[in-house]
Formats: sequence, C-alpha cells, structure tokens
Amino acid sequence: DIVMTQSPLSLPVTPGEPASISCRSSQSLLHSNGYNYLDWYLQKPGQSPQLLIYLGSNRASGVPDRFSGSGSGTDFTLKISRVEAEDVGIYYCLQPLQPPFTFGPGTKVDLK
Amino acid sequence: QVQLQESGPGLVEPSQTLSLTCTVSGVSISSGDVYWTWIRQSAGKGLEWMGRIYTGGTTTYNPSLKGRVTISSDTSKSQFSLKLTSVTAADTAVYYCARDTGGGATRFDYWGQGILVTISS
Repeated sequence: DIVMTQSPLSLPVTPGEPASISCRSSQSLLHSNGYNYLDWYLQKPGQSPQLLIYLGSNRASGVPDRFSGSGSGTDFTLKISRVEAEDVGIYYCLQPLQPPFTFGPGTKVDLK
Repeated sequence: QVQLQESGPGLVEPSQTLSLTCTVSGVSISSGDVYWTWIRQSAGKGLEWMGRIYTGGTTTYNPSLKGRVTISSDTSKSQFSLKLTSVTAADTAVYYCARDTGGGATRFDYWGQGILVTISS
C-alpha cells in the first residue's frame, strides 16, 4: 500500500495569515498521463470530509481561490493564502492512484 | 442535487455482521462512469477506504479487511450496501458512503453524513 504522511499534524493559524500543509507519499503519484494523483480534503467540525483539490492542483467546484495545491511525485503542498475562520478543521491528503486508496493522518488547523 | 444517506444499526455485537445501506438521490446509481464507495473513520486508524462498486457491478476491496467485506447494490431502490463480517471492537467507526467520480481520476465528490457504528456486547 502507498503510505501517506503529513506535516505538521497540528497547525495553529492566525486569520488573514497564510498557512501551508505538507503531504508526502511512499511512492510517486505521477501517472503516465502527466497528472499527479493527489487530492486534498477538509473535514470541518461535525461534518463529513469535503473535496478541496484533486489531481494535485485543481480546485473542486465552489472552493475559494485562496486554496491552492502544488507538488509532484512524492511531495505535495496545500496552501491557504489568507486563512479565514471557516477554514478550521482537519485537512487530509489522499492518494487515488491505486487501490487501496490511502489517506494521510490529517493536519488539524485551528485558530490561535 | 446528489445526496447520500447511510442507514443501519448503531450497535453491533462482536463476531456478528455489520450491515449498512446507502440511499442515493439525485442521480442514478446504475449509470455513468462512477463508483459507489464505503469509507470509515476511527480514532485508531483515521480515514480508511474500504471498497467500492462500479455502476457495472464490479467490486474492489481493501485487502486489509481480509475478505470480511462485501459491497452490493440494488439499483431498483437506488441503494448500495456494505456487509462486514466477524466484527470486533476495532471496527467501531463512523462509516461514510461516498461517490467516486471515477473517469480515470478517483475523487470523492459527494459524501453521506456518516453513521456511527459501535461494536460492543
């Protein structure tokens, strides 16, 4: 199985400031089609996870442009340009390259 | 609007079979290049992909579940189901059903609200 790791596991943030989360995979997620098979999800308190970013850098429908994804191969980053209070929750990366699809352990983002 | 809703018992005894159903509305579960998926979330293992069923009926399971899992669908009821046999306390989790867009690039774009299942006597 592909193992996903994230850092940090906890991230206190200040509204209006930028934030960044790292995700690393045990195998390359770069497909032969040129896409990186890495998704980002946000689980807000009391809710189901919601898709933020797919194929490494594509924002899902309705996701604000303050969220961006980057990276290739085994190293990926989710960036929030200016954190808002509604962004608190747990952020997960997921590798959808090959079954069994595996999630990272999650990064808990809360306000300072 | 696509909606998914899990249902089933919230308490299951050890060694018994956990059975859950996901009712889908807003889209046909028998058409399109999509998969219908079960994911669970426990304190010990985080988010775990359990398996999926394709609109054509093909299934794929997580080997970590050691053959205990079966996913099936009933298109007449717009439902797909999860069965997990020989459950233990380690199977206590919130179980989510979700749609996997498939199309060569898996992503879970719609999720149910989740159902907590506790394994206890």
